Amino acid sequence: GEDVEQSLFLSVREGDSSVINCTYTDSSSTYLYWYKQEPGAGLQLLTYIFSNMDMKQDQRLTVLLNKKDKHLSLRIADTQTGDSAIYFCAEIRPSGGSYIPTFGRGTSLIVHP
Amino acid sequence: DAGITQSPRYKITETGRQVTLMCHQTWSHSYMFWYRQDLGHGLRLIYYSAAADITDKGEVPDGYVVSRSKTENFPLTLESATRSQTSVYFCASSEETQLLNGYTFGSGTRLTVV
Repeated sequence: GEDVEQSLFLSVREGDSSVINCTYTDSSSTYLYWYKQEPGAGLQLLTYIFSNMDMKQDQRLTVLLNKKDKHLSLRIADTQTGDSAIYFCAEIRPSGGSYIPTFGRGTSLIVHP
Repeated sequence: DAGITQSPRYKITETGRQVTLMCHQTWSHSYMFWYRQDLGHGLRLIYYSAAADITDKGEVPDGYVVSRSKTENFPLTLESATRSQTSVYFCASSEETQLLNGYTFGSGTRLTVV
């Protein structure tokens, strides 16, 4: 099937902003998610955006959605070393009456002092 | 304990052996999923289940079998393990009417097939 695309790596300096980009495939996706995976752990939901929204802000996190271009981004303000992790975007695709999450390959965010 | 629990956390098995990975959730979520995570491939869906006794194939189902006799359990069986099935396996659950809560993941099972 078609892929949810993300760049594989992002390196930023502590205190700078990080922007992680994602392109998704299904224009009918109702929810789009950002997940965070720390080393040796499972995925944790960071935030979501509903398809009728353009932007959502949650403390240091800002999600932007461009439905025309099927582009999703996650901005982390004042990035800290604790933000180092893999970040996954995910879209929900309808499949035979069910809604199945499809994940990108993940972006490894490296925060250095 | 509330949550989604996977067991074992780590498993080493030999080629050709059958191995079962367990997943248990305490929320009575209707949906459960199995993903495998491999470097360069991200998360790929193996099987999912919309309710007890209802299962469907995902992107990479070959070599795997699932069952869902009870809502809270969703075991994944590798019938005859191969080295290509060495991976980290994640179970997840969700409630379709609560999609804004996303999908809750277990901590994963790291499986090595030698």
